[in-house]
Amino acid sequence: DGGITQSPKYLFRKEGQNVTLSCEQNLNHDAMYWYRQDPGQGLRLIYYSQIVNDFQKGDIAEGYSVSREKKESFPLTVTSAQKNPTAFYLCASSITRRNEQFFGPGTRLTVL
Amino acid sequence: DAKTTQPNSMESNEEEPVHLPCNHSTISGTDYIHWYRQLPSQGPEYVIHGLTSNVNNRMASLAIAEDRKSSTLILHRATLRDAAVYYCILSGESGGSNYKLTFGKGTLLTVNP
Repeated sequence: DGGITQSPKYLFRKEGQNVTLSCEQNLNHDAMYWYRQDPGQGLRLIYYSQIVNDFQKGDIAEGYSVSREKKESFPLTVTSAQKNPTAFYLCASSITRRNEQFFGPGTRLTVL
Repeated sequence: DAKTTQPNSMESNEEEPVHLPCNHSTISGTDYIHWYRQLPSQGPEYVIHGLTSNVNNRMASLAIAEDRKSSTLILHRATLRDAAVYYCILSGESGGSNYKLTFGKGTLLTVNP
């Protein structure tokens, strides 16, 4: 089955620790994205990548970092510099940046 | 970024049509109108998109006003599985942001059995 996988579904971390969220797609899509969603709110773009070895900041990139070494993978690191990291994180991909986006199931991060 | 305005919530009965409105009075000529929906604790799901003409697919229809300042997502026969938050989003070439989906709070659709 083609799709986007995110792991883990739930993640707990202590304050001050960096944590990396996984996102893998086997759809052969060039573009990938990371969004953050807070309770009762819409999604906000953190980072996006149009192609391997290239990525751009979204609206709320501070305290986050990404890499795109392989077409299939776009991991997101939530660093200790992110002031309020507890949120629902969603990864998406699209054939190109102009096409509809397909979303993964999300990772719910709780920082204690 | 062009903004959209949607009602916070709407209710429908099962097997009846649902018309979800969206206003986008500041839309530019190259902006596409997208609709996504999100079930609780899941990622959003693409529903439909269009530019000027009305669009139909297996999930829904999109009716776009002639002046493009508003649009309506039509679910022809609502089912309980259609209960979700529906987002109306604009994306376009203006400012090179045609990749960008800016999600507002959307419309929470409740479907009554």
